Amino acid sequence: DTAVSQTPKYLVTQMGNDKSIKCEQNLGHDTMYWYKQDSKKFLKIMFSYNNKELIINETVPNRFSPKSPDKAHLNLHINSLELGDSAVYFCASSSPGRKNTGELFFGEGSRLTVL
Amino acid sequence: GQQLNQSPQSMFIQEGEDVSMNCTSSSIFNTWLWYKQDPGEGPVLLIALYKAGELTSNGRLTAQFGITRKDSFLNISASIPSDVGIYFCAGPLSNDYKLSFGAGTTVTVRA
Repeated sequence: DTAVSQTPKYLVTQMGNDKSIKCEQNLGHDTMYWYKQDSKKFLKIMFSYNNKELIINETVPNRFSPKSPDKAHLNLHINSLELGDSAVYFCASSSPGRKNTGELFFGEGSRLTVL
Repeated sequence: GQQLNQSPQSMFIQEGEDVSMNCTSSSIFNTWLWYKQDPGEGPVLLIALYKAGELTSNGRLTAQFGITRKDSFLNISASIPSDVGIYFCAGPLSNDYKLSFGAGTTVTVRA
């Protein structure tokens, strides 16, 4: 019954590879996000989709490409992985009508390690 | 851009102690949020504050929205081992969909 679920939870890969992280929410929310948490635990927004439409695209390398097939899913594809991409990536969603209150619901995170 | 400055960065506390952490901003926020992140998990919302001066409690947690709307604090009373984790303050930026996070306060409880 996980509200926001991400897969995989752990991902170890070589530099230069391409990988994807998937996210699904069953809360009926219409807005979903990807956040990156670095080794110092700082959380930074990367992307946000509202009803499958990209609404936030922070200064992120274009090797990162989000895709939202429907409002319950938001995937993140990363091309040509670099060492600096190692981090924990969190998916989150927010409730319709409360999008400006910041009440985000987070997944458990996907820890990406690039060797 | 707007920044949230959170302090202290970390704290070691004795079980049973009361602790306090705070967050300040160079800009006015209309909402202040406090999240907790347990090890290996995603952040979970603890308390949301929507009005300047508001004081809100959630069990042993109490948070206040500063009257200037540029700061907030979170108190934990009578600490217990499960209070271990990282506490983040957060607030929405001018764009409705963006939430800015402080750098976090890492709490470690000594039994």
